[in-house]
Amino acid sequence: GAVVSQHPSRVICKSGTSVKIECRSLDFQATTMFWYRQFPKKSLMLMATSNEGSKATYEQGVEKDKFLINHASLTLSTLTVTSAHPEDSSFYICSARAGLAGEGVAPDTQYFGPGTRLTVL
Amino acid sequence: GESVGLHLPTLSVQEGDNSIINCAYSNSASDYFIWYKQESGKGPQFIIDIRSNMDKRQGQRVTVLLNKTVKHLSLQIAATQPGDSAVYFCAEIPHSGNTPLVFGKGTRLSVIA
Repeated sequence: GAVVSQHPSRVICKSGTSVKIECRSLDFQATTMFWYRQFPKKSLMLMATSNEGSKATYEQGVEKDKFLINHASLTLSTLTVTSAHPEDSSFYICSARAGLAGEGVAPDTQYFGPGTRLTVL
Repeated sequence: GESVGLHLPTLSVQEGDNSIINCAYSNSASDYFIWYKQESGKGPQFIIDIRSNMDKRQGQRVTVLLNKTVKHLSLQIAATQPGDSAVYFCAEIPHSGNTPLVFGKGTRLSVIA
C-alpha cells in the first residue's frame, strides 16, 4: 500500500527557533511531494509543490525563505519553518504522489501523511 | 476563480442509514477526482477516486458518482457506521500531469448511534 509518514507528529517550540518536519514515502517513490497547512475546521491549504532534485514551487502568499523545502530523494521531503512565530502554529500535512503505479499505489493519487501539529509559544 | 465546493457543511445520519455527500466543481477540464476522509488530528485518507471517463465507481460500502453535465460529484456511504464520522473532502486535479489537488471545503459527517 501507499504509506506516507511524518516526523515529528507534534512539536512545541519557542518563538524564534526553527523546526524541521520530515515527510517520507515508505513503500513507493514519490516524484512529487506537496506541503499543506490546515487551520482548525478548515480545508487544506497548499503551500508548495516539491519535485525531487529541483526547487520547490510556492503558492502565492507563502514565503519561501520562511518555509524552506528540500526534496532530497524520491522518498524524503523536509519542511523547515524558520524563525517560527505563534502565528505559524498550525497543522502541517504532506502528501506524496507516485511516479509509477505499484501494488496499492495509483500514479496520480496523492497519499497523505498523518500531519504534524506545530505549536509556537 | 475555479473552485471545488460542497453543498452541505454538516451532515448527521442515523447509524445504519446511507449517507450522501455532495460536491460541485467548476473546472470542466478536470479529469480526476478523489474523495478523502479526515478524522480529527489526522491526515486525509484516500477513500475512492474516479476519472472523467466514468460516471460511477464502487468500492467497499462506498460509491462515487460523477455527473459531468452539471459538474457534480457525490460520495455515497452504505450502512453508515460510527467509524465513518469524519470530515470528507472532495478534490480534483484541474489538469493532467504534475498539478496538485484542489480541495473543497469539507463536509462533516456525524453518525448518530
